[in-house]
Amino acid sequence: QVHLVQSGAEVKNPGASVKVSCKASGYTFTSDDITWVRQAPGQGLEWMGWISGYNGYTNYAQKFEGRVTMTTDTSTSTAYMELRSLRSDDTAVYYCARGHEVLDSWGQGTLVTVSS
Amino acid sequence: QLVLTQSPSASASLGSSVKLTCTLSSGHSSYAIAWHQLHPEKGPRFLMKIKTDGSHTKGNGIPDRFSGSKSGAERYLIISSLQSDDEADYYCQTWGTGTTVVFGGGTKLTVL
Repeated sequence: QVHLVQSGAEVKNPGASVKVSCKASGYTFTSDDITWVRQAPGQGLEWMGWISGYNGYTNYAQKFEGRVTMTTDTSTSTAYMELRSLRSDDTAVYYCARGHEVLDSWGQGTLVTVSS
Repeated sequence: QLVLTQSPSASASLGSSVKLTCTLSSGHSSYAIAWHQLHPEKGPRFLMKIKTDGSHTKGNGIPDRFSGSKSGAERYLIISSLQSDDEADYYCQTWGTGTTVVFGGGTKLTVL
């Protein structure tokens, strides 16, 4: 059974960076991709981009280009999403999900709060 | 531009059925989509993929009460024998050129 377990909640000051992890189990990590999605309070789901578990290829949403970096550590089957220059409107729950077309398993979410 | 349109809200009575609709934008009526449930306490869950031929494949452990279909540019999620635990937000999702992912705005389902 596929499980994606994310790191815990974070509180950051404006201008700081946050790095969220997503540890995968129950499948071969390098055989699939990880997509990152966020949901701001009262808003819908927003696609941020995805990373290949096989070769680290990334495809970022234009909105986040230059501010986001997605990486993987295949030795621990873990994906990471780092978002820099945080603003108050980056306050959201961040999710990882398996795949880059059909997202067939989800992490539990990580709340990132940006506040001074 | 690839866009998915959902009604913001829907409601139905306990034990009844409800049909949620997701409409693909003009020029994209043949696309496959996925349905996801975003439960307020349990978090997100993949429900099913609706393929281009209208058939659907469900995620692990998704009950038979959940089914999907299509008509033209519309994609449907049908939930029968509604339970209180079905009260959640439901999102449709598809993917486009360069594998950009697109979500609908979500439908908040209230079980009366």
